[in-house]
Amino acid sequence: DAGVIQSPRHEVTEMGQEVTLRCKPISGHDYLFWYRQTMMRGLELLIYFNNNVPIDDSGMPEDRFSAKMPNASFSTLKIQPSEPRDSAVYFCASSSTLGGMSYGYTFGSGTRLTVV
Amino acid sequence: SQQGEEDPQALSIQEGENATMNCSYKTSINNLQWYRQNSGRGLVHLILIRSNEREKHSGRLRVTLDTSKKSSSLLITASRAADTASYFCATVDSGNTPLVFGKGTRLSVIA
Repeated sequence: DAGVIQSPRHEVTEMGQEVTLRCKPISGHDYLFWYRQTMMRGLELLIYFNNNVPIDDSGMPEDRFSAKMPNASFSTLKIQPSEPRDSAVYFCASSSTLGGMSYGYTFGSGTRLTVV
Repeated sequence: SQQGEEDPQALSIQEGENATMNCSYKTSINNLQWYRQNSGRGLVHLILIRSNEREKHSGRLRVTLDTSKKSSSLLITASRAADTASYFCATVDSGNTPLVFGKGTRLSVIA
């Protein structure tokens, strides 16, 4: 398996624009997580899915953020409209269990988002 | 919100020395995990220790867990320049929740 694949690696967009981040989890992993990393707040869990169903989105900062998982091999995180304070690195991770009891979570390489 | 808090925030050592990083957390846990993040990359799982375990080894890594003090330590022995990275502890609550990460320790190993 090629691991968790995220695209794009870098995204620079203007304030007010829509941004879509994409993730392909490891095949067979039932859980998918979206995290955001900033210097000030560290790694924050935004939302997670189990078998393509959103379970907990309490970490999504505002209604401008939305996430979907239409099938087991694809998820998107959308920000509309984007704001400069959304600038961060967004990570997708997948795991076979919620607590990562077997081999932990497998992370993608992240998408570095810059909103100007 | 952060559960784990690593100490120190940054650590600089010479190649060959041992590096020790500490993590404190607040609630009862199911397990605690350590991850490494190289600059510009994603996090990589290093080791997991369950709440009923006190010590675990993996290669040059040694992890301890003291649930009475709600703390863990990661020891990297005989460090190498390639160990330069940020190290994060992450916990799963006893209610089996997703991983919650600390802010990490930045380790620099100087050749």
